[in-house]
Amino acid sequence: GAVVSQHPSWVICKSGTSVKIECRSLDFQATTMFWYRQFPKQSLMLMATSNEGSKATYEQGVEKDKFLINHASLTLSTLTVTSAHPEDSSFYICSARDPGTSTYGYTFGSGTRLTVV
Amino acid sequence: EDKVVQSPLSLVVHEGDTVTLNCSYEVTNFRSLLWYKQEKKAPTFLFMLTSSGIEKKSGRLSSILDKKELFSILNITATQTGDSAIYLCAVVGTNAGKSTFGDGTTLTVKP
Repeated sequence: GAVVSQHPSWVICKSGTSVKIECRSLDFQATTMFWYRQFPKQSLMLMATSNEGSKATYEQGVEKDKFLINHASLTLSTLTVTSAHPEDSSFYICSARDPGTSTYGYTFGSGTRLTVV
Repeated sequence: EDKVVQSPLSLVVHEGDTVTLNCSYEVTNFRSLLWYKQEKKAPTFLFMLTSSGIEKKSGRLSSILDKKELFSILNITATQTGDSAIYLCAVVGTNAGKSTFGDGTTLTVKP
């Protein structure tokens, strides 16, 4: 089945630094990937839709200058948290769908636990 | 704005019990409803439902959709401790294929 690889699994960074999270589709080409954020004991909140070769579409309330998304190829999307602060500490997850299948089930990456100290 | 409401928010049962998790939704131009199981990390896909009245089944798990009443249920029979997880329901409309998630139901199965 479709596999989405996400790295790193966890990262601790100092306040004010930037962190890059990678999301790769391993056995399919994903023209669209989605980035979610999940706070403890809360559901997944969509942050942005990443489109290959074009600008990402951000959800209302998500700062596009803070959460930079790049989708330069059909198998790789990156999320960069710029000038991270403790309130950015969260679980970040990407997802994608293999367009070659008939299902609308999205495959998730394994997630990245970001802690900003 | 698309909306998904899951109930109950949490549930504690004993092994062998049967549970029913509920998901109601409002979505523009419904395309599909998805159920996921989330343990410690990212959610894993369980079912995709697109048509009313057709039960999807996988082992002890089953799910059905009612597009008229705008809800779905997820049943788990003969529960095991390994079923303990957060179960997430999501709907996909035609709005760029985005999924809107409910808050999830936290299921705890005690031995």
